[in-house]
Amino acid sequence: QSALTQPASVSGSPGQSITISCTGTSSDISHFDYVSWYQHHPDKAPKLIIYEVTNRPSGVSNRFSGSKSGNTASLTISGLQAEDEADYYCSSYSYSNIWVFGGGTKLTVL
Amino acid sequence: QVQLVQSGAEVKKPGASVKVSCKASGYTFTDYWMHWVRQAPGQGLEWMGHFNPKSGDTYFVQKFQGRVTMTRDTSINTAYMELSSLSSDDTAIYYCASDTVRTTCGDYWGQGTLVTVSS
Repeated sequence: QSALTQPASVSGSPGQSITISCTGTSSDISHFDYVSWYQHHPDKAPKLIIYEVTNRPSGVSNRFSGSKSGNTASLTISGLQAEDEADYYCSSYSYSNIWVFGGGTKLTVL
Repeated sequence: QVQLVQSGAEVKKPGASVKVSCKASGYTFTDYWMHWVRQAPGQGLEWMGHFNPKSGDTYFVQKFQGRVTMTRDTSINTAYMELSSLSSDDTAIYYCASDTVRTTCGDYWGQGTLVTVSS
């Protein structure tokens, strides 16, 4: 099972919006609405910020939003803040009870 | 509150096995699938597999076929992941993650266990 494809890095200034894409295949993103996004700060456990494409867990800022079109999912962060600087990973369910992650995107807040 | 507490760091020699534990609290352990995810130095997250603590059903990535065993002890709400025939490529932080949402790789995560494989 191949990893989902994400850009290696994105950057933005405080207050701006950025979007991270996550491209999969007909075996995962385009076939299932079980796309999640994780925020990962160094030396901490990953944190779930989006699940089922668009849903935010309780306590996650509404500055984070998700969407999907065809085989590509996207995470948008609006009103960038310094604490948003982290690695972001998408994940998706695939066939036969298998899950797959994207390669990760490093967000730099300029 | 939901907590997953993992066992401490391990140093192993090539060819050895390692068993990482993950003790759950704050929820009914057998109600939700448990995932195992690892991150090698400088690399991204890699999903290894998951298992059902109630039934014991296990699914994992083909690359770990024959090397990984996922088990649990429901009397102490603890999950285990054992990886055998270790090589330097297995040096990584290993995470357990419980999926209480039922549609993710985990919404509650352990703190991670560093496994170092070195001769």
